Amino acid sequence: EPEVTQTPSHQVTQMGQEVILRCVPISNHLYFYWYRQILGQKVEFLVSFYNNEISEKSEIFDDQFSVERPDGSNFTLKIRSTKLEDSAMYFCASRLLAGGDTQYFGPGTRLTVL
Amino acid sequence: SQKIEQNSEALNIQEGKTATLTCNYTNYSPAYLQWYRQDPGRGPVFLLLIRENEKEKRKERLKVTFDTTLKQSLFHITASQPADSATYLCALPRDTGRRALTFGSGTRLQVQP
Repeated sequence: EPEVTQTPSHQVTQMGQEVILRCVPISNHLYFYWYRQILGQKVEFLVSFYNNEISEKSEIFDDQFSVERPDGSNFTLKIRSTKLEDSAMYFCASRLLAGGDTQYFGPGTRLTVL
Repeated sequence: SQKIEQNSEALNIQEGKTATLTCNYTNYSPAYLQWYRQDPGRGPVFLLLIRENEKEKRKERLKVTFDTTLKQSLFHITASQPADSATYLCALPRDTGRRALTFGSGTRLQVQP
């Protein structure tokens, strides 16, 4: 069964450093998402991406964040200058376009900012 | 803004019993509602989607109801097993009209053997 994959599974970085989290969505899906979950808290929406542009973003997704689909398979989330409060699990999700409301999530990347 | 409430207290039941989890929402009329399962340190796993014109939906031992008048969904697991122990998340599309999801805080289910 096709699934969303994410790398790395765990990323440790120093405050102020840039990190890139990578996702490979399900191959025939056209909508892509990033969510995050701070330990013990809710899963929160960050950004959605369709047709090579941001479709929607939340108030969390500020200028420190950017997304990109550099090729036909990868979808990345970049955090330019990490802060301690960026420590969280980051989940990528993807969805079919037509007739598909269900989002399928990857296993997540645990980001630890020291 | 939309708000989703799930019982934050853990639900402990005996194996073989039916678990019933509640999701209440306010300030919104979503076209559909989804339930996900989340294990510790893992991503949400899709279980069921129910639309506003559907009262009930079933999948194997799972059943979801959707009452748009009460603004409530109930999620049932019948003949529960210890392997069903996990956190169950209710999710609605955001009230922005797009399809990004807003999640509840989840209810942790513990099934005792």
